Amino acid sequence: AQSVTQLDSQVPVFEEAPVELRCNYSSSVSVYLFWYVQYPNQGLQLLLKYLSGSTLVKGINGFEAEFNKSQTSFHLRKPSVHISDTAEYFCAVRPPGGGGSNYKLTFGKGTLLTVNP
Amino acid sequence: DVKVTQSSRYLVKRTGEKVFLECVQDMDHENMFWYRQDPGLGLRLIYFSYDVKMKEKGDIPEGYSVSREKKERFSLILESASTNQTSMYLCASSLTDGLNTEAFFGQGTRLTVV
Repeated sequence: AQSVTQLDSQVPVFEEAPVELRCNYSSSVSVYLFWYVQYPNQGLQLLLKYLSGSTLVKGINGFEAEFNKSQTSFHLRKPSVHISDTAEYFCAVRPPGGGGSNYKLTFGKGTLLTVNP
Repeated sequence: DVKVTQSSRYLVKRTGEKVFLECVQDMDHENMFWYRQDPGLGLRLIYFSYDVKMKEKGDIPEGYSVSREKKERFSLILESASTNQTSMYLCASSLTDGLNTEAFFGQGTRLTVV
């Protein structure tokens, strides 16, 4: 079984400041890792994902994340945030490969990023 | 673009009613999911289906059932709605392909049980 911990429930920052949203996971097997974003009153949209290979993953809207296997972390970063980045961000994991329940995503509890002018 | 459509954005139902939440996807995805989203709890999986007529319980299936008679449609059923089922419900779908890993989400249905 996997679990995901998002260490901060809320992160307030000022516009153009850098931001890091933290995510740690627990799993007895290797995992695929994801970050999703949810804008107000909308569904979830994929920001980026790590399957294998390079540990630095770039996503949409200028976000990137780094997979650290030894620390079981997958922190999300952006060097300069905009007002429009205000949203809730979810880290998620699933086992690699195919087959039945391997397709289930396990989510963290979310981090609300608020970007202030 | 993949589209996952949930039949209602907002629903208000009375305690004890039978409630149907409908979800349709247009990309021939094998997998479909129902999640419940509550503040401070994130998304929790209620049920998922990896094929027509196939279903598996997620983490919080109590009080819910599902139906998947056609590949594109996955219905969540609240047999007898209760106030503790007031929540945001999100449907998602994905391919059965180890490398095509993205799950696509609908806009959500905000259900209020009074």
